[in-house]
Amino acid sequence: KQEVTQIPAALSVPEGENLVLNCSFTDSAIYNLQWFRQDPGKGLTSLLLIQSSQREQTSGRLNASLDKSSGRSTLYIAASQPGDSATYLCAVSGNTGKLIFGQGTTLQVKP
Amino acid sequence: DTEVTQTPKHLVMGMTNKKSLKCEQHMGHRAMYWYKQKAKKPPELMFVYSYEKLSINESVPSRFSPECPNSSLLNLHLHALQPEDSALYLCASSLLAGGRNTGELFFGEGSRLTVL
Repeated sequence: KQEVTQIPAALSVPEGENLVLNCSFTDSAIYNLQWFRQDPGKGLTSLLLIQSSQREQTSGRLNASLDKSSGRSTLYIAASQPGDSATYLCAVSGNTGKLIFGQGTTLQVKP
Repeated sequence: DTEVTQTPKHLVMGMTNKKSLKCEQHMGHRAMYWYKQKAKKPPELMFVYSYEKLSINESVPSRFSPECPNSSLLNLHLHALQPEDSALYLCASSLLAGGRNTGELFFGEGSRLTVL
């Protein structure tokens, strides 16, 4: 059974820092991995989708990497801003047809 | 347009009421999903529709009844709910359901449901 773990559960950093959020999964037989952002009381916003054949994806200040063999993904946020404060969720998709979510990392960027 | 629209944004209902949540997308996606999310928890899958047919039901109680009238619309009919059903209900869509070609999932803003 696929399990997804995100570390740390919460993170507080000063504005301007570069930071890394971690996601690990137990079954490497995935089709893709997706990173989402969720603001309090809102829906999920898709940030990046990495297919299983890819190693990384970039969008603006965000870079996500995928090492399928070791069951790990990282989301790198460069030059963090207070507007980046949110909960970040990673989710993997495999042959069950279901998206399996991690518990999320709640990020606070202080001005 | 990468938008999934959900209505209503907020809903308060009694345990004897019947109400519906609605979801709409115009991205040509053929898979649509209902998720339930409790505070500080990740979303939990409830139902998956693929080509307007129910393909996954995660053993959801029958007081939740999904409906997919066409490829752009998804409804969730609610009847005789319990207070513990209070949650954020999220709709999502993707190009296809399951498999390597599922593609990116796009979520709506959710419907906040409170059951009194």
